[in-house]
Amino acid sequence: GQNIDQPTEMTATEGAIVQINCTYQTSGFNGLFWYQQHAGEAPTFLSYNVLDGLEEKGRFSSFLSRSKGYSYLLLKELQMKDSASYLCAAMDSNYQLIWGAGTKLIIKP
Amino acid sequence: DADVTQTPRNRITKTGKRIMLECSQTKGHDRMYWYRQDPGLGLRLIYYSFDVKDINKGEISDGYSVSRQAQAKFSLSLESAIPNQTALYFCATSDLAEDTDTQYFGPGTRLTVL
Repeated sequence: GQNIDQPTEMTATEGAIVQINCTYQTSGFNGLFWYQQHAGEAPTFLSYNVLDGLEEKGRFSSFLSRSKGYSYLLLKELQMKDSASYLCAAMDSNYQLIWGAGTKLIIKP
Repeated sequence: DADVTQTPRNRITKTGKRIMLECSQTKGHDRMYWYRQDPGLGLRLIYYSFDVKDINKGEISDGYSVSRQAQAKFSLSLESAIPNQTALYFCATSDLAEDTDTQYFGPGTRLTVL
């Protein structure tokens, strides 16, 4: 079956770095997405990876290893506003997104 | 103005009532989606449409129906609402012409069925 695994919750300190991991199993693969979702709000797009390697976008970076079915989202210089859930989603061969349950990131001062 | 809008934003209804949730977009995207989100679960796809004449069932379509009235409008109906349909509902759009087919979400509708 198709499956996405990511930690349920993580805690980090303001100004620090945190890495949120995601493993996936899908029928075919057309890319890996990361979204940010603040409580009660819509998910907003953060990053997309389809090739192996690291994509950097400001304080956020995303990594993909297709052979390992693994991705991570790296957040640097954490700010209080980064407290949110981070959703990992893999696109399968039918171009459908398979979603993880999300990782709730708590930032402490 | 928001690119993807949903109405209503909140709705409380009773078991057995028919409910319609509406989604409109100004992004010019061909593809539209309806998801529900429950605490502790990932987003689950209810229905999706790749163009006006195309409607497809998603993972959890039972108890729901949809209508794609125009490229910009995609409505979700609950024919006879039940309490376990209480959830946060999101509409999303995407365009395969964009390299990544990234989905963009509306603000959500919080539905409570009593």
